[in-house]
Amino acid sequence: GAVVSQHPSRVICKSGTSVKIECRSLDFQATTMFWYRQFPKQSLMLMATSNEGSKATYEQGVEKDKFLINHASLTLSTLTVTSAHPEDSSFYICSATPGGSNQPQHFGDGTRLSIL
Amino acid sequence: DAKTTQPNSMESNEEEPVHLPCNHSTISGTDYIHWYRQLPSQGPEYVIHGLTSNVNNRMASLAIAEDRKSSTLILHRATLRDAAVYYCILKISNFGNEKLTFGTGTRLTIIP
Repeated sequence: GAVVSQHPSRVICKSGTSVKIECRSLDFQATTMFWYRQFPKQSLMLMATSNEGSKATYEQGVEKDKFLINHASLTLSTLTVTSAHPEDSSFYICSATPGGSNQPQHFGDGTRLSIL
Repeated sequence: DAKTTQPNSMESNEEEPVHLPCNHSTISGTDYIHWYRQLPSQGPEYVIHGLTSNVNNRMASLAIAEDRKSSTLILHRATLRDAAVYYCILKISNFGNEKLTFGTGTRLTIIP
């Protein structure tokens, strides 16, 4: 089945560091990928829609200059958390789909980001 | 997207069937009913989806009310590995490349 790989699975770094998270579709091409954030004991919140070859679409309240998204190929989207602070500590999850009808979303295993 | 309502939590004994309800009284005629689940410390995984007719796959069954205002996800024989948060989500179309709006879901606990 379709697989989405997310890397790294865990990051611990100092405040002020920028952190890049990769999301890859391993056996299919994805023109659209999605980035979610999940705080402890809460549901997933969509941050942005990553579009291959064009600018990402951000949800209301998500700072586009803080969370940089690049979708340079049909199999890779990256999320960079710039100048991360402790309040950015969260579980970041990406998803993608082969597209077309009747196709579910496939999620990565998430990246747990801890900012000290 | 139309809103769904699910119980916050449910418990079930291992090896017994589990019925997870979802209310979606404002569902529109073009909304598909999707179910995903999230195991601890993992990303969500697709379970099943349907429009009007009941659906079965290797993971579960989806029973959709005739008026489509509610649905039930059925796990026929729960195992410990089924302990997860289950999300019932409405999507306006059957196309995969559209965003999902997650509610609070139902946390399912399986009792050995």
